[in-house]
Amino acid sequence: AQKITQTQPGMFVQEKEAVTLDCTYDTSDQSYGLFWYKQPSSGEMIFLIYQGSYDEQNATEGRYSLNFQKARKSTNLVISASQLGDSAMYFCAMREGPGSNYKLTFGKGTLLTVNP
Amino acid sequence: SQTIHQWPATLVQPVGSPLSLECTVEGTSNPNLYWYRQAAGRGLQLLFYSVGIGQISSEVPQNLSASRPQDRQFILSSKKLLLSDSGFYLCAWRDRDRAHFGDGTRLSIL
Repeated sequence: AQKITQTQPGMFVQEKEAVTLDCTYDTSDQSYGLFWYKQPSSGEMIFLIYQGSYDEQNATEGRYSLNFQKARKSTNLVISASQLGDSAMYFCAMREGPGSNYKLTFGKGTLLTVNP
Repeated sequence: SQTIHQWPATLVQPVGSPLSLECTVEGTSNPNLYWYRQAAGRGLQLLFYSVGIGQISSEVPQNLSASRPQDRQFILSSKKLLLSDSGFYLCAWRDRDRAHFGDGTRLSIL
């Protein structure tokens, strides 16, 4: 079974608009962490934002914020005021707990294209 | 500061040849280490991960193996490469709220 599911293979957004990238996860651990990464065409993995399973507030980092719904096991990334440089592949990831040896699993990604 | 080194950056190997990719981490001790493979335009497939020296967890049965001979060294190997082993290989280490990635190795099998 998929641990991380990103249902949007591709998304388009107009420059300066907001966009939401979806991610759902599956784990039986009580303690886990959720990450989002950006991968431009150069291939480097750029960390964007982190949410711990016990964090009560939704994480925010500049233009990036998470809509963390623990009961639904979803952690959607919201990018506000999209910029052309935001065009890239976006990956959601989950770090499981000690019982899983801290396995770190990534979704298949969403390719975001920002149109001028 | 912590850094992660991964080499080589690119590699072209014939089918049936051996492989050794090395990843080392500086500035931290007892890191959780990970090897991923990414096919062109696809997601990151977790291959192996390790929580300590000599401790390797394998995610998928395949033509590859991993070893962790030292605390901050993680090696990905193969005795005989297959065409399907082509891809972009990424090493990573994780602290509490972030995973740090190497620059990756682009492996082409001829």
